[in-house]
Amino acid sequence: DVKVTQSSRYLVKRTGEKVFLECVQDMDHENMFWYRQDPGLGLRLIYFSYDVKMKEKGDIPEGYSVSREKKERFSLILESASTNQTSMYLCASSFWGNAAGELFFGEGSRLTVL
Amino acid sequence: ILNVEQSPQSLHVQEGDSTNFTCSFPSSNFYALHWYRWETAKSPEALFVMTLNGDEKKKGRISATLNTKEGYSYLYIKGSQPEDSATYLCAFSTGGFKTIFGAGTRLFVKA
Repeated sequence: DVKVTQSSRYLVKRTGEKVFLECVQDMDHENMFWYRQDPGLGLRLIYFSYDVKMKEKGDIPEGYSVSREKKERFSLILESASTNQTSMYLCASSFWGNAAGELFFGEGSRLTVL
Repeated sequence: ILNVEQSPQSLHVQEGDSTNFTCSFPSSNFYALHWYRWETAKSPEALFVMTLNGDEKKKGRISATLNTKEGYSYLYIKGSQPEDSATYLCAFSTGGFKTIFGAGTRLFVKA
């Protein structure tokens, strides 16, 4: 069974804290993605990576950075958390050869920034 | 700006009712249309991927149709069951890395 695992389901952080969200996939997928989901909006792409050490900005990268040191792991970093980054964060992966782009998701990390 | 619209935003039905949702997407640069089901406290899971105009897909009581010329897709659920309660996401792909998601239709099925 394919699996994308996000390290924390719920986090509460204070404004200005550095936050790490970790994601691991066991499917040997080349592509990995970070999305955020807010009420009334579709999933919005923050960053993605198509290979180890490669990263590309998505639609809303401001205030975030990412790290992909190993193929199976993709980390999202909030350098200085702000209240407007309170959201549900979803990690996803996909197989490079799947041109239709079917995504496999983790269960999400709900972050609250106070 | 590419935009995907889903309607209705939410839907309450009785067990046994049949229901359908709509997804509207850009008709240009189409590559694939995805439907995902997202149950509370679980990860979104792919239901269907459709790539050709006129495609129809079926999985049990759930089916979907695709019209790429006019830019819409319908998702149908026949005889809704409480376990169908979830958010149904539609997503549009132009073949690159970016998939554009709609805001979802939240379905509540009452026993």
